[in-house]
Amino acid sequence: KNEVEQSPQNLTAQEGEFITINCSYSVGISALHWLQQHPGGGIVSLFMLSSGKKKHGRLIATINIQEKHSSLHITASHPRDSAVYICAVRSVGGNQFYFGTGTSLTVIP
Amino acid sequence: NAGVTQTPKFRILKIGQSMTLQCTQDMNHNYMYWYRQDPGMGLKLIYYSVGAGITDKGEVPNGYNVSRSTTEDFPLRLELAAPSQTSVYFCASSYSPLGGGGRNEQFFGPGTRLTVL
Repeated sequence: KNEVEQSPQNLTAQEGEFITINCSYSVGISALHWLQQHPGGGIVSLFMLSSGKKKHGRLIATINIQEKHSSLHITASHPRDSAVYICAVRSVGGNQFYFGTGTSLTVIP
Repeated sequence: NAGVTQTPKFRILKIGQSMTLQCTQDMNHNYMYWYRQDPGMGLKLIYYSVGAGITDKGEVPNGYNVSRSTTEDFPLRLELAAPSQTSVYFCASSYSPLGGGGRNEQFFGPGTRLTVL
């Protein structure tokens, strides 16, 4: 069983739709990251969360430590948002990093 | 700043050959990481370093070695290449250990696609 599970695995949306990607984890964590991997393979950090909520432009990330769950929301989705979104956690008290397998998002014009 | 650079971008190796994947960052980050990404699988941490002269194993270190003689460079060595090491390798760096505090963002290199035949 993976320490980090994401859902859905694949997501297709119409431009302008509100999108939610979910991440659940089974280990104690010191931080959770959301990453974006572009079709060409490049990876960019979007957010680091240890509690609460963060917002950057049209992206919002939330985390519920008690439920071991995080969500990434994209408002007013655009075709340029098409990418793989990856959830990653750093274990508490250690230096292990665990990654989800990613959610592949396609936004259709 | 160039950020994190990796060379080569692509490489094909024969079984048993050795090679070094290069990684350099110009952001004066103490923390550096090597990951591998297999198709349909999440990234897995191979090795990491918390500063020059200090390295430690991640989740999948077997078959690899690293060194960190300078803050800027963190090469990954494959001694006896095996087909199971066919993957895309990403190097990354960060200012902090991603466990809290400011400037936690992790910067990734463009990746090296390695095929072992």
